[in-house]
Amino acid sequence: DTGVSQDPRHKITKRGQNVTFRCDPISEHNRLYWYRQTLGQGPEFLTYFQNEAQLEKSRLLSDRFSAERPKGSFSTLEIQRTEQGDSAMYLCASSTSWRNEQFFGPGTRLTVL
Amino acid sequence: GNSVTQMEGPVTLSEEAFLTINCTYTATGYPSLFWYVQYPGEGLQLLLKATKADDKGSNKGFEATYRKETTSFHLEKGSVQVSDSAVYFCALRGEYGNKLVFGAGTILRVKS
Repeated sequence: DTGVSQDPRHKITKRGQNVTFRCDPISEHNRLYWYRQTLGQGPEFLTYFQNEAQLEKSRLLSDRFSAERPKGSFSTLEIQRTEQGDSAMYLCASSTSWRNEQFFGPGTRLTVL
Repeated sequence: GNSVTQMEGPVTLSEEAFLTINCTYTATGYPSLFWYVQYPGEGLQLLLKATKADDKGSNKGFEATYRKETTSFHLEKGSVQVSDSAVYFCALRGEYGNKLVFGAGTILRVKS
């Protein structure tokens, strides 16, 4: 069991650039979640997929954010035209639909200069 | 909407002291409740859970009881160790939902 992996672990970018993060869930997990965590706060839900279908999106997910899970396996989260307020840890989690315990990856820390 | 409130930290204890971290929630129906732990430099790990009223979750000496009447899920440990130093997050999943709603986290520091 290799756990949830995320790539890259750290990303530094300049304001206005686009960034893309990848998440690989635990292999038999059909649900995948994205959360955002800022310093001193708990994670906040962004969106989740069941297989390849995006079933829920938070109001936090502005038009500049898009997530995909094209084949129901790995997922990507893209942020277009990054802003300094996007600086945060982006967490991915996965679960099965029948047990629904979410297992988290190590996160991608984004710094927007 | 659903929400979770945790006691503010940091909580600083000596080794072998008794730990309580308070967590209360607001939710309709019967949510599932969780405690996650984040050790320095590591990702979130599920510590324990309870899915219905009066359930007690336990793991690694930690316990929490789902109290519907007080909407609480306080984390306790009888004797903490230096290795328990971490950030602890209380979370809930709504009865008919899938996303987790987290509290702000409580930093625990255990001194030898």
